[in-house]
Amino acid sequence: DIVMTQSPDSLAVSLGERATINCKSSQSVLYSSNNKNYLAWYQQKPGQPPKLLIYWAATRESGVPDRFSGSGSGTDFTLTISSLQAEDVALYYCQQYFGFPLTFGGGTKVEIK
Amino acid sequence: QIQLVQSGPEVKKPGTSVKVSCKASGFTFSSSAVQWVRQTRGQRLEWIGSIVVGSENTNYAQKFQERVTLSRDMSTTTAYMEVSSLRSEDTAVYYCAADLGRETADYWGQGTLVTVSS
Repeated sequence: DIVMTQSPDSLAVSLGERATINCKSSQSVLYSSNNKNYLAWYQQKPGQPPKLLIYWAATRESGVPDRFSGSGSGTDFTLTISSLQAEDVALYYCQQYFGFPLTFGGGTKVEIK
Repeated sequence: QIQLVQSGPEVKKPGTSVKVSCKASGFTFSSSAVQWVRQTRGQRLEWIGSIVVGSENTNYAQKFQERVTLSRDMSTTTAYMEVSSLRSEDTAVYYCAADLGRETADYWGQGTLVTVSS
């Protein structure tokens, strides 16, 4: 199984400041035939199901604010919130969909400092 | 709009089974896949398996292979997950999610709390 490791477990950021979440996979999730990274990011607010934010490591889902961006390739990935807003307080998860079983990172809790 | 509506909470005794439904609307069900994910109290997300609606092809995480059955009814655009031989560690919120062709969980149901307790 591909193990996904997120860091940090939690972070507190001031409103308007940048938040950065890291995700590392135990093996590459880059598919060479199409040059796509099979890595997604989800946001989960309290009492709600997860919501897809980013897929193919860097493509924002429709309707997701452009302050959210994804980057990285191979085994190392980053989710950046460029200017944290109050409504961004949530848990964030990375997930690989390169191979079965699909696996998630342990989650990162983002709070306001 | 795209919706996935899951069945209500369940309380089950150890050793019994539970069947959770996931009613889909707002997209072409037959061209999708449905993933099932659970979330325990510790907040960790765990992928259970997926079913390709059109072909009924299924994939399961190995730890669930023996105890989980995924199915679908195209006439009612509903997907199902049955878990047998329940144990207390299966207490969790179970989610279905529609995969509209990118192999990601694009839209999620509201979740179904399954509590296993004697």
